[in-house]
Amino acid sequence: QVHLVQSGAEVKKPGASVKVSCKASGYTFNTDGINWVRQAPGQGLEWMGFISTKKDTIRYAQKFQGRVTMTKDTSISTAYMELRSLRSDDTAVYYCARDGKGFDYWGQGTLVTVSS
Amino acid sequence: QSVLTQPPSASGTPGQRVTISCSGSDSNIGTNYVYWYQHLPGTAPKLLIYRDDQRPSGVPDRFSGSKSGTSASLAISGLRSEDEADYYCAGWDDSLSGFYVFGTGTKVTVL
Repeated sequence: QVHLVQSGAEVKKPGASVKVSCKASGYTFNTDGINWVRQAPGQGLEWMGFISTKKDTIRYAQKFQGRVTMTKDTSISTAYMELRSLRSDDTAVYYCARDGKGFDYWGQGTLVTVSS
Repeated sequence: QSVLTQPPSASGTPGQRVTISCSGSDSNIGTNYVYWYQHLPGTAPKLLIYRDDQRPSGVPDRFSGSKSGTSASLAISGLRSEDEADYYCAGWDDSLSGFYVFGTGTKVTVL
């Protein structure tokens, strides 16, 4: 059974960085890419970017270019998303999602709170 | 601001049929597949429809997707109380070197 398990909630100060992990199990990690999606309080879903697990392809949403880095460690079937220069409006639940036929499996979400 | 526009809300009584629209453009819906996601508060989003009209295993056939030109629709027939959730259309957009976009979202209320 496919599972994506994310790291725990984080509280960060403005200007800091956060790195969220997403560990995959139940399938071959290097067959489907991983997307990162966030939802701020009272807002809709927002795509942040995609990282291929079998090639070197990474694609970021324009909004996050220069501030986000997505990486992977195929040896432990884990993807990472680091967001830098955090602002209060980065407070959100961050999800990883497998890029199968659509975003077919999702992590449980990681709440990142940015507050001074 | 999303390039995929949905009505903010829709509602129906149990057993009714509800339809949610998703309006896009040539660079997204007009060219690429449409996906639909259901999102209940406090849970991870769930894929309902992929590649315009395909249902993943386990998704009831009460949910159906369609597409015509630059618009798409999600229909929920035999509405049930557990269908009360936020629904998002989504897909790839070929402009700006390509990006994935979610629709503005529709809150479905079961009266």
